[in-house]
Amino acid sequence: GNSVTQMEGPVTLSEEAFLTINCTYTATGYPSLFWYVQYPGEGLQLLLKATKADDKGSNKGFEATYRKETTSFHLEKGSVQVSDSAVYFCALRESSNYKLTFGKGTLLTVNP
Amino acid sequence: DTAVSQTPKYLVTQMGNDKSIKCEQNLGHDTMYWYKQDSKKFLKIMFSYNNKELIINETVPNRFSPKSPDKAHLNLHINSLELGDSAVYFCASSQEFVETDPYRYQETQYFGPGTRLLVL
Repeated sequence: GNSVTQMEGPVTLSEEAFLTINCTYTATGYPSLFWYVQYPGEGLQLLLKATKADDKGSNKGFEATYRKETTSFHLEKGSVQVSDSAVYFCALRESSNYKLTFGKGTLLTVNP
Repeated sequence: DTAVSQTPKYLVTQMGNDKSIKCEQNLGHDTMYWYKQDSKKFLKIMFSYNNKELIINETVPNRFSPKSPDKAHLNLHINSLELGDSAVYFCASSQEFVETDPYRYQETQYFGPGTRLLVL
């Protein structure tokens, strides 16, 4: 079956530090890959997505590249802000399947 | 102008009670979902409806019964609540069928704000 493995954290960084959150996946087909973000007390918001190999998703300074050879979709940001503090979820979805399979989430705390 | 809304936002109840959570989306989407997020933040799908038809039913106790009166609404009724049902329940929606592009898949799912259920 499908699965997503991401670094569990928590991750604590200082403002303007570089962020990487690793995500690898297992899938039987050719999935689309997503990063969702959950701010404290809120629902999930789509941060970025990539639908095929070598696609790069980007939004709000965050980037992730769909790497089929390493089955990875690592999230990066060059300079984090305090407002980026949240839980980040990596997820995949098979082309013929409606459901999202999530990783366990990574709590990011950015200190001023 | 809320896209996916859920009521109530918080629900505190006693073990053994029956409760319902409601979800509405005004995005015109044809597919809706219920996800459960446990205390460790792990998210897992429970149900999905496409055009009012059940298409995903994961291994969820049959005390949980979803109902979709129309495409814009998906409610979740829970009978005989147990302590282990305490969690955050998220509703989501997506547009799966695109008339102009029938081979288009993997549409983004839009999530509601969640319902925090606490069973005492």
